[in-house]
Formats: sequence, C-alpha cells, structure tokens
Amino acid sequence: EAQVTQNPRYLITVTGKKLTVTCSQNMNHEYMSWYRQDPGLGLRQIYYSMNVEVTDKGDVPEGYKVSRKEKRNFPLILESPSPNQTSLYFCASSLSDIGTYEQYFGPGTRLTVT
Amino acid sequence: LAKTTQPISMDSYEGQEVNITCSHNNIATNDYITWYQQFPSQGPRFIIQGYKTKVTNEVASLFIPADRKSSTLSLPRVSLSDTAVYYCLQGGYNKLIFGAGTRLAVHP
Repeated sequence: EAQVTQNPRYLITVTGKKLTVTCSQNMNHEYMSWYRQDPGLGLRQIYYSMNVEVTDKGDVPEGYKVSRKEKRNFPLILESPSPNQTSLYFCASSLSDIGTYEQYFGPGTRLTVT
Repeated sequence: LAKTTQPISMDSYEGQEVNITCSHNNIATNDYITWYQQFPSQGPRFIIQGYKTKVTNEVASLFIPADRKSSTLSLPRVSLSDTAVYYCLQGGYNKLIFGAGTRLAVHP
C-alpha cells in the first residue's frame, strides 16, 4: 500500500531534550516536506526537500533541522525543543514538481513540549 | 509576500452545492492552485488542482479566473460526509502557501 508513515504519532517531551520525528514514504517520491498545523493558522511549511541531499527552508524553519540521506526518509529534528513547538506535525511527499503533483500526507505527529 | 485567504467557516445542508472561495495574494506565474480536504485526526487529502479556467473531476470543480487572484472550489450536492476542513494552496517549484482552512459543516 502506497503511504507516508510517521513515528511517533504522539510525543510528550520536556524543553531542551533533543528529539527526532521520522518520516518514510514507499512511493519513490522525489519531493518531501514537513508542515506544522496550529489552530487558526492552517498548515505552515517548515522544510522541504527536492531530492536526496537537497533541502531548503519553508516559512517557519527556526528551531528545526532536517536531512535527506535516502530518498524514502526525511526526518525532522528538534535539537532543543521549546513549548512554542507544541503542534501537530505532518510529513508529505509528492512525485516531483510539487506545484503540479498532489502531495500525500502522513497521519501526523502530535508533539507536546512542557 | 504571497498569502492565501479563505473564510473561516461555512454551513450548508445535504444536497446543496457549496462554493468556497480563496483569494491568492501575489501568486507567482508558475504557481498552481490546489485544494485539500482534511478530516479530524487525519492528514490532508488532495481534492483538485488547476492553473487557470475550470477543472472538474469526479468530486469537485475548480474555477480560476484569468487574473488568478482567486479560486473557487465547488462541491456539488454535499452530504454529511463532506463535513471537513478545506484548504486552498498556492505553490510552484518550492515553497507552498496554505490558507488557514475553511471549516465546512453540512447539516441534515
């Protein structure tokens, strides 16, 4: 089954404790992206990757890191999480040029930073 | 600065046609306009995409005027299962700009 998976689905952590949210897709998609979703703000893009070893900042990259060492994986790293990073996070992938190809979203990761 | 704006919420009744309009501020020449649907506890799901004029698929129609400063998602004969949040999106090769979402409630 074609899908985007994220782990963990739920995470509660404390300020400053490094964490990684994994994202994996099995559709051989070139483009992958991370979003955060907050009430009243919709989805905001954090980082995206056009292909392996190619990443770039979205609208809200501060406090986040990403890497794309393999085509299928695109982990999101929070080196020193803070309470304002409490949010619902979605990973997405698409075949190529994201303007013309639909994105497939993962199920989401709900992160709480205390 | 590119920005998309859409109504916060809408109400409708089963069997009616629903039109949700999004304004696209500073849309780039190579940007496409896409609409997604999201149910609670799920990721967004693709509905329809277009560049200009009208596009229709099995679930919706998308109207984009020549100036591309707005787009209208049309859902024909909605049912209770269409209750969801609908997002408009503009984007091209890299950054994607989502609207804040329109919460559609369909009543019996």
